[in-house]
Amino acid sequence: LAKTTQPISMDSYEGQEVNITCSHNNIATNDYITWYQQFPSQGPRFIIQGYKTKVTNEVASLFIPADRKSSTLSLPRVSLSDTAVYYCLVGGYGGATNKLIFGTGTLLAVQP
Amino acid sequence: NAGVTQTPKFQVLKTGQSMTLQCAQDMNHNSMYWYRQDPGMGLRLIYYSASEGTTDKGEVPNGYNVSRLNKREFSLRLESAAPSQTSVYFCASSGTSGDTQYFGPGTRLTVL
Repeated sequence: LAKTTQPISMDSYEGQEVNITCSHNNIATNDYITWYQQFPSQGPRFIIQGYKTKVTNEVASLFIPADRKSSTLSLPRVSLSDTAVYYCLVGGYGGATNKLIFGTGTLLAVQP
Repeated sequence: NAGVTQTPKFQVLKTGQSMTLQCAQDMNHNSMYWYRQDPGMGLRLIYYSASEGTTDKGEVPNGYNVSRLNKREFSLRLESAAPSQTSVYFCASSGTSGDTQYFGPGTRLTVL
């Protein structure tokens, strides 16, 4: 099973770029990397998914090095509303690996 | 289009009582999941269903049973509730295994 390791917490200020790194040393060939955001008393919400190199969408970028043993979620110009827990998830696409493991999550606190 | 719905939202049980948590999705997804989240912890996968008629154990299946009633519905049953099962339970669905998961609002369960 591909377990992940993330920092427990991070602090930032409004307008800054935030980078959260996740380690997944035993990632399998068919595993994708997915990041979720969770606010208190809500279910997690999808942010971004990638397999290798760089993926960008309207809210974040995901950087994955060639060895795929880590990944970095980048949030540009964070605001107070980005205060949440961010989870890194590594799992197989298409059913090859169905035991999906959420990391411990990183609590991002954005201050004014 | 409601996405993923869960019932009930809150439940209090006494030790030894049984109950079933209901989950339904209207996105025509093949895969469905049950997670639990303890205070200050990440999500842990209880059971998973790749498609109608199939189920598979996740990280913490002991004390639970599941039924994939049809493509839309995936229920989680506690036969004899224990205080250690006090948690928030989230149901999720995805098009296929490893695809983006969409989460329900959660069921907050307390076992006295």
